[in-house]
Amino acid sequence: SQQGEEDPQALSIQEGENATMNCSYKTSINNLQWYRQNSGRGLVHLILIRSNEREKHSGRLRVTLDTSKKSSSLLITASRAADTASYFCARLLFGNEKLTFGTGTRLTIIP
Amino acid sequence: GAVVSQHPSWVICKSGTSVKIECRSLDFQATTMFWYRQFPKQSLMLMATSNEGSKATYEQGVEKDKFLINHASLTLSTLTVTSAHPEDSSFYICSAPRQGNQPQHFGDGTRLSIL
Repeated sequence: SQQGEEDPQALSIQEGENATMNCSYKTSINNLQWYRQNSGRGLVHLILIRSNEREKHSGRLRVTLDTSKKSSSLLITASRAADTASYFCARLLFGNEKLTFGTGTRLTIIP
Repeated sequence: GAVVSQHPSWVICKSGTSVKIECRSLDFQATTMFWYRQFPKQSLMLMATSNEGSKATYEQGVEKDKFLINHASLTLSTLTVTSAHPEDSSFYICSAPRQGNQPQHFGDGTRLSIL
C-alpha cells in the first residue's frame, strides 16, 4: 500500500492532557503535512514540515520529523474538546504534486 | 474564509442518475486540482488529478468513463459520476494547491447517496 501508517487509530484523552499521534512512511519525501478533518467536513491544513526540517511549532501543535526512521509525530498540548477530530498525515514526494494520506487517527477529547 | 468551494454538499438520487460535483478555487488560479474519495472512518484515496486545459490523470483502478473530470477554467473543476449506483455512495472531496508543493486547500466535500 502507498499509504503510510498512523497510530494510534483512535485516541481518547481527558481535556487538558497532551495527545500524540505518529505517522510512518516508506518512501523519501519532499515534505510531510498534517491535516485535521472534522466529521463530515473537508480537511484543514495544520503544519507542513520539509524533509530538511526536524521540528515545527504552531500554537499548541508541535510536529517532528525523523527522515532516518521515516516517521513523524504530531503533538497537541493542553487539549480542548474542540480538538476532537480525525488527524491525517500526508506525504508529498519530490517531483510530484500528489499527496498520499496516512490512515488517520481519530482523536476524542473528553470534557 | 474558504478558498476552495465545493458544491453540492449533499446529494441523494436514484440509481442510474448522473451527478455533477463542482470544485472552485475562490481567490487563486488552480491549474491542478485533485479529487478524492473517502469511505466512512477511512482515509482519503486519490481518484484523479484534474489538469486545466488537458485530460485528467486517473489513479490505478479508477474508471475514467465512470468518473468524468473536466477542468475547463483556472478556477473550476467538475467531477461527474455517471450512471451512479449504490456502490458509488461515498464522500467526495476536492482540493487545490495554490502553487507547487504548498499545502492544499480542501473543499468541504460532497456526500453522495445513491438509492
